[in-house]
Amino acid sequence: EVQLVESGGGLVQPGGSLRLSCAASGFTFSSYDMHWVRQATGKGLEWVSAIGTAGDPYYPGSVKGRFTISRENAKNSLYLQMNSLRAGDTAVYYCARGAVAGSIDYWGQGTLVTVSS
Amino acid sequence: AIRITQSPSSLSASTGDRVTITCRASQGISSYLAWYQQKPGKAPKLLIYAASTLQSGVPSRFSGSGSGTDFTLTISCLQSEDFATYYCQQYYSYPLTFGGGTKVEIK
Repeated sequence: EVQLVESGGGLVQPGGSLRLSCAASGFTFSSYDMHWVRQATGKGLEWVSAIGTAGDPYYPGSVKGRFTISRENAKNSLYLQMNSLRAGDTAVYYCARGAVAGSIDYWGQGTLVTVSS
Repeated sequence: AIRITQSPSSLSASTGDRVTITCRASQGISSYLAWYQQKPGKAPKLLIYAASTLQSGVPSRFSGSGSGTDFTLTISCLQSEDFATYYCQQYYSYPLTFGGGTKVEIK
């Protein structure tokens, strides 16, 4: 059974940093692209970053230069280092698996990040 | 970035109704479109990928169609467990982008 468990969320001040982790199990982690997707309360889904099997990262303009995605295949773990956090980054952050066909087929339950003074 | 316009943003329907949700991409994305269902407090669930391929375990009352710029999700006979918010997403190119969502509510 595919499982994705996020951790590391919490309250952080504007301008601060936070590192999210995602522990994956139930599949060959190194063989799949991985994603972070976020959702502010009452709002829609926003893709935050992706990392390919070769470690190639992708970001939208809204987080590029502030967020860094990485993976540690030996530990079946995905990470998101978030710097220079803003109030607009407040959201539930989901770890998700990239499907072979290219969509996103499994999602974790999410971890809440709150950026506030 | 490719913009995805999803409509309607909400709809009211009754159990047994046929429901249609549409997404339009700002440029052609071939069939690189997925549909997700999300219930309150839960993670999204993949329903359809490649515009029309049903994810394993998803009931056959869900169907998808379209290619290029215009896409449709149809629920042929709405069940009580289908009341949720639905999102489309393009994965033709980065950055991946989602539609704004359609909330399906009980009439």
